[in-house]
Amino acid sequence: DAGITQSPRHKVTETGTPVTLRCHQTENHRYMYWYRQDPGHGLRLIHYSYGVKDTDKGEVSDGYSVSRSKTEDFLLTLESATSSQTSVYFCAISLTGLGGEKLFFGSGTQLSVL
Amino acid sequence: AQKVTQAQTEISVVEKEDVTLDCVYETRDTTYYLFWYKQPPSGELVFLIRRNSFDEQNEISGRYSWNFQKSTSSFNFTITASQVVDSAVYFCALRGEYGNKLVFGAGTILRVKS
Repeated sequence: DAGITQSPRHKVTETGTPVTLRCHQTENHRYMYWYRQDPGHGLRLIHYSYGVKDTDKGEVSDGYSVSRSKTEDFLLTLESATSSQTSVYFCAISLTGLGGEKLFFGSGTQLSVL
Repeated sequence: AQKVTQAQTEISVVEKEDVTLDCVYETRDTTYYLFWYKQPPSGELVFLIRRNSFDEQNEISGRYSWNFQKSTSSFNFTITASQVVDSAVYFCALRGEYGNKLVFGAGTILRVKS
């Protein structure tokens, strides 16, 4: 258990609705990531953070925004959810974000956009 | 750009068979790190192994073994005497020396039947 909690675990929402997913960690790790998992694509990086208020885009960042106002929380927001954003979302953390350091993953959030 | 290819979308074997999961990667970095993660039906991602680019020794851990070959840019994973509990999605991933992003392959679904 790497001390990562994702909430909610499941969410069903309608197209056009704003949605916020939360990732909370108790390990004081500097790096936090949001990935989405889709069949045939594996895990793709949406956004990541390398410190409080320091974030950067991943490969599939369009339609998503993030915020990190404190070390332990990393929020992912879908400003206006679309059906293409139906996916499983994983949060991950690492201490340095570099080299051979492994990532610790949360349990995932299943999001369905109808 | 870094890329990981897992050409096998799905593999089905009968218990006690050996099975090899293929992983081919692309990177321009001279120093890089390769990972394998397992995702059982419960959904969480479990770290299996990390290998750096300067260590080409094969590794064995119980029924699991990994064959790293820089000449073919491959990092294949073999399960010997497979068991039903090995049924999962397996992801290969890559990170460069200074990159702070972990790039995943699309994953291989392994089904082990009794």
